Amino acid sequence: QSVLTQPPSASGTPGQTVIISCSGSTSNIGSHSVDWYQHFPGTAPKLLIYKNDQRPSGVPDRFSGSKSGTSASLAIGRLRSEDEADYYCAAWDDNLSGVFGGGTKLTVL
Amino acid sequence: QITLKESGPTLVRPTQTLTLTCTFSGFSLYTGGVGVGWIRQPPGKALEWLAIIYWDDDKRYSPSLKTRLTITKDTSQSQVVLTLTNVDPVDTATYYCGQRPSFAVSGTHFHNWGQGTLVTVSS
Repeated sequence: QSVLTQPPSASGTPGQTVIISCSGSTSNIGSHSVDWYQHFPGTAPKLLIYKNDQRPSGVPDRFSGSKSGTSASLAIGRLRSEDEADYYCAAWDDNLSGVFGGGTKLTVL
Repeated sequence: QITLKESGPTLVRPTQTLTLTCTFSGFSLYTGGVGVGWIRQPPGKALEWLAIIYWDDDKRYSPSLKTRLTITKDTSQSQVVLTLTNVDPVDTATYYCGQRPSFAVSGTHFHNWGQGTLVTVSS
C-alpha cells in the first residue's frame, strides 16, 4: 500500500478537464513539495509537474498542479486521447525518503 | 542533451545480490545540488522510490529496503551503482534511474529518466 493515496482510475471525454487527487500526511505533502509523473507502460516516466505547480519546458499548459495542506491535485484540461496513461504523484517524506502514490490510470472515453 | 541508461543482469537467483549501474551523460555529479536516484516498478504495480545519492555523497534510502540497499557513485565515470542484497521474487521489477537537477527542492524530482531495465528474480 502506497504512502500517498490516489484514486486507481479516472476518466473523461475529449475536451473535458480531469482532476486527479493525491492525499498524504503532514510528514510528506504537508511539509514538502509534490511532483507529478506521466507514465506510459513500457516507457520511462515523464516529469509533468515539479514543486507543486511548475511545468518543465515542453509540458503543455493543459497540465497544472496545485497543493493544499496534505493534499495535491493534477488537472488535465482540454483532454486528448494521447493523455491516456498512468499518473503518479510523489513527495519527500520526513523519514528522509521519497514516496510515490499508487498511481491513477486515466482513460479517455 | 541529458541521457541515462540502466544496465545489469536480466535474471537473478533468489538470495543473490543484484547490482545495477546507471551510466549518464549531459550532467555531472560534481555539480552542487545534483543527484541520481533509483525507482522501480514491479509488473502491474506502482512506482516505488528506492534511493538517491547527491553530489556531496549524501545518500538516502527507502526505509523498508534500507538494510538491503547500497548506492554509490563514480563521478569521474558518470556512473551510479545500486546494489540490492538477498533478492526475492518480489524484487522482480523494471528498475529506473533518474536525474535530480541542481534546482530541484526534493528528492523525488527526477527531470530525466533512463529507459529502465527489467530484472527477474527466479530460480
